[in-house]
Amino acid sequence: GQQLNQSPQSMFIQEGEDVSMNCTSSSIFNTWLWYKQDPGEGPVLLIALYKAGELTSNGRLTAQFGITRKDSFLNISASIPSDVGIYFCATPAGFNKFYFGSGTKLNVKP
Amino acid sequence: DSGVTQTPKHLITATGQRVTLRCSPRSGDLSVYWYQQSLDQGLQFLIQYYNGEERAKGNILERFSAQQFPDLHSELNLSSLELGDSALYFCASSVSPNNEQFFGPGTRLTVL
Repeated sequence: GQQLNQSPQSMFIQEGEDVSMNCTSSSIFNTWLWYKQDPGEGPVLLIALYKAGELTSNGRLTAQFGITRKDSFLNISASIPSDVGIYFCATPAGFNKFYFGSGTKLNVKP
Repeated sequence: DSGVTQTPKHLITATGQRVTLRCSPRSGDLSVYWYQQSLDQGLQFLIQYYNGEERAKGNILERFSAQQFPDLHSELNLSSLELGDSALYFCASSVSPNNEQFFGPGTRLTVL
């Protein structure tokens, strides 16, 4: 079943606005990953988080590993048109399990 | 460039046919994963291999099969193709099953 709940499902924002999205679970995980997928392309790893409370940045992107280890957040500051795409959270949950969220589709209006 | 390669990039075929998709993992990665993504859908996990052995199966149809070879490349075989099999097929690799995955560019399969 669905292990990771990602929200919002989609967002329509104006260029220059900040964006927040999150991923929650009822289970505890040791790693949180954020991927971005451009239309027709493979997902690209943006940020990897390995420790509860960890805050990591990659340019205008900042992600946090929730202190309860059951959630993670991704923020994008000053959005630009090339931020358009689908953002997935993901986590390896054991030797043979890897969960993906259902994705947040981001649309940015110039 | 993730270091994961997939061929072909595009594939157009007819119903009832059989196709083979190929994936080469990043250098040093032992795990390979296959995913299917239909239009505007999320990633559906199909199957996972680790060092040549099947490790996990997801929603993979019986008409689909895969293998990982001694040189660690992997092939996904799709047979008796149906219109609904049209999708993007992604391969991903990781050092081990508990590490972050890196995705290839995908193969777009169109079944007419």
